[in-house]
Amino acid sequence: GENVEQHPSTLSVQEGDSAVIKCTYSDSASNYFPWYKQELGKRPQLIIDIRSNVGEKKDQRIAVTLNKTAKHFSLHITETQPEDSAVYFCAASKDSSASKIIFGSGTRLSIRP
Amino acid sequence: NAGVTQTPKFRVLKTGQSMTLLCAQDMNHEYMYWYRQDPGMGLRLIHYSVGEGTTAKGEVPDGYNVSRLKKQNFLLGLESAAPSQTSVYFCAIRTGAQDEQFFGPGTRLTVL
Repeated sequence: GENVEQHPSTLSVQEGDSAVIKCTYSDSASNYFPWYKQELGKRPQLIIDIRSNVGEKKDQRIAVTLNKTAKHFSLHITETQPEDSAVYFCAASKDSSASKIIFGSGTRLSIRP
Repeated sequence: NAGVTQTPKFRVLKTGQSMTLLCAQDMNHEYMYWYRQDPGMGLRLIHYSVGEGTTAKGEVPDGYNVSRLKKQNFLLGLESAAPSQTSVYFCAIRTGAQDEQFFGPGTRLTVL
């Protein structure tokens, strides 16, 4: 089955700097890669996703890149702000699997003032 | 916006007790999912359903049962709770044709 590995497990950056979180997946048939943000005590919320037919997607300060050949994808947050502090999860899924999503283990991002 | 509620929000059980967690949606979505979240392990899929009357196993189904008798409700049961089932449980629905999942607020379960 699919396995998703996520690094780093914790990340601390200065406010205003960029943050990058990286994930690898094992199943070459996976074609949907969402990213979720979870604030303390809250539910995970989808912040951006990418499909295997594109290499990059951007939404304001966040962007995701996908390298299908290497089977890895990354989340980039620019101009970080205190409200970016949260746990971020990457995930992978494939159409043929009833949308079963396999999650990475999460990255706790802290923004230093 | 999809509405997903989970009942109860918190629960403490003793080892061996049973309970049922309820996930309810106020829309007509076919796909529903139950996850558990443990520190350092992300979210792991327990069971899922692709429609009324159907259920299937996920990554970690042992010790749990599910039912989807009504399209709006997806129930997760623990027949004999164990301390290893202490976790936060999230229900999710697939909100559209493109795989996006929307999560409920979660149930924090402690088994003593």
